[in-house]
Amino acid sequence: NAGVTQTPKFQVLKTGQSMTLQCAQDMNHEYMSWYRQDPGMGLRLIHYSVGAGITDQGEVPNGYNVSRSTTEDFPLRLLSAAPSQTSVYFCASSSGGGSGGNTIYFGEGSWLTVV
Amino acid sequence: AQSVAQPEDQVNVAEGNPLTVKCTYSVSGNPYLFWYVQYPNRGLQFLLKYITGDNLVKGSYGFEAEFNKSQTSFHLKKPSALVSDSALYFCAVRAPGGSQGNLIFGKGTKLSVKP
Repeated sequence: NAGVTQTPKFQVLKTGQSMTLQCAQDMNHEYMSWYRQDPGMGLRLIHYSVGAGITDQGEVPNGYNVSRSTTEDFPLRLLSAAPSQTSVYFCASSSGGGSGGNTIYFGEGSWLTVV
Repeated sequence: AQSVAQPEDQVNVAEGNPLTVKCTYSVSGNPYLFWYVQYPNRGLQFLLKYITGDNLVKGSYGFEAEFNKSQTSFHLKKPSALVSDSALYFCAVRAPGGSQGNLIFGKGTKLSVKP
């Protein structure tokens, strides 16, 4: 069971560079999200998607872009990397329907350092 | 606004002793509550959730949590701690009507279990 797969695991970027963090899930989940984790701040929502072709902003969307062309994939793009974007990034997915108590499943994380 | 508080940055327990990791929440309506665990350099693993029904919820690895509506709490407990339980624990909440893809996280509590 692959679940939620993120690549790369580790990346070092120079300020101003752009890159894409890849995320794929094989559970046919409707909902996908990107979070960033910073020390002492828990996880904060960057962007999310409720289905192919539909995305929306979360709590900290500035400097990031997303698209959802397929159910399986939800890439996160850093447009012009800044040191403040040094963080651990987690992709997550969950199924739709039900009362809203569906479990969210997380990938293994992508450690990004911007120098 | 929805929020989650984990009042302890760190909890220290001796192996074999019971452990409690505290969580309080603030949402309108009946919440959906979750606990996740994160081991070093890994993603978040789902432990348990409260949706409705019995206030005592049992989860993975012998953990359980008690939902207390009057105290707006959802404390994580285990009767006998193991050294291998040492990790970072996150409480999270989703409000009724909130997107099923998104959770509000606490800042995390580091659990340290000593032999």
